[in-house]
Amino acid sequence: GQNIDQPTEMTATEGAIVQINCTYQTSGFNGLFWYQQHAGEAPTFLSYNVLDGLEEKGRFSSFLSRSKGYSYLLLKELQMKDSASYLCAVRDRRNSGYSTLTFGKGTMLLVSP
Amino acid sequence: KAGVTQTPRYLIKTRGQQVTLSCSPISGHRSVSWYQQTPGQGLQFLFEYFSETQRNKGNFPGRFSGRQFSNSRSEMNVSTLELGDSALYLCASSPHEGTQGPEAFFGQGTRLTVV
Repeated sequence: GQNIDQPTEMTATEGAIVQINCTYQTSGFNGLFWYQQHAGEAPTFLSYNVLDGLEEKGRFSSFLSRSKGYSYLLLKELQMKDSASYLCAVRDRRNSGYSTLTFGKGTMLLVSP
Repeated sequence: KAGVTQTPRYLIKTRGQQVTLSCSPISGHRSVSWYQQTPGQGLQFLFEYFSETQRNKGNFPGRFSGRQFSNSRSEMNVSTLELGDSALYLCASSPHEGTQGPEAFFGQGTRLTVV
C-alpha cells in the first residue's frame, strides 16, 4: 500500500514564501503530482515530478527526492487567491501494469493580509 | 471546449437507497476515473474506465460500481447507501488510459449526503 503525509494546515502572509512538504512510501513510484483545490471546486493540476530535482513554473516550484520519499511545493509571492487546499499525489505502478494515483489528505493553506 | 460535467451537483439520499452519478468527459477524452473525497480520508481512487472497460479499481466494497458508454460518458452507482458514503464524488477525464496531471481534468463533483 501507500502512505502519504502532508501537514493538515498552514498559514502565511501575503507576499511571503511558503513550503508545503509531502512524504510518501510506495513500492512502484512512477511520479508525484501537486494539485490545488479551492473550496467547493475541482482540483486543478499544478506540477509533476518524476525525476529528482526542482521543477519551476512561475510562482510555484516543486521538488522531489526519490531516495528520501520526499517532495515539497514552494509558493512564492503569496497572494490571497492562493488560499486553498494543496494535494500531494503519488502515482504507483502496480504489478498489473496499471498505475494508481493516491492522494494525501491535503494541506489547507490560509493566506492572510 | 466544454469541461468535465458531473450531474447532479448535489444529492440527498436515505440510508439503504441506491444512487447513480453521471460524468461526461471532455470531448475526445476516452478515460474516466472516479474518486471519493471526504474530510477524513481525502481523495480516494474508486475506479477507472477506458473504452467501456474497467481498467483499474481501488479498495472499495462491491456496493460501488460503474460503467462507461460508447460515447465515453460514465456512470457510477452506489447501492445500499450508508451514512459513511456521504462525500464529494469527483470524476476526472483524460485522453489516454491511466494519464494524470496536465492531461487530466476534474469535474466539479457531486456532493452526496446520506441521511
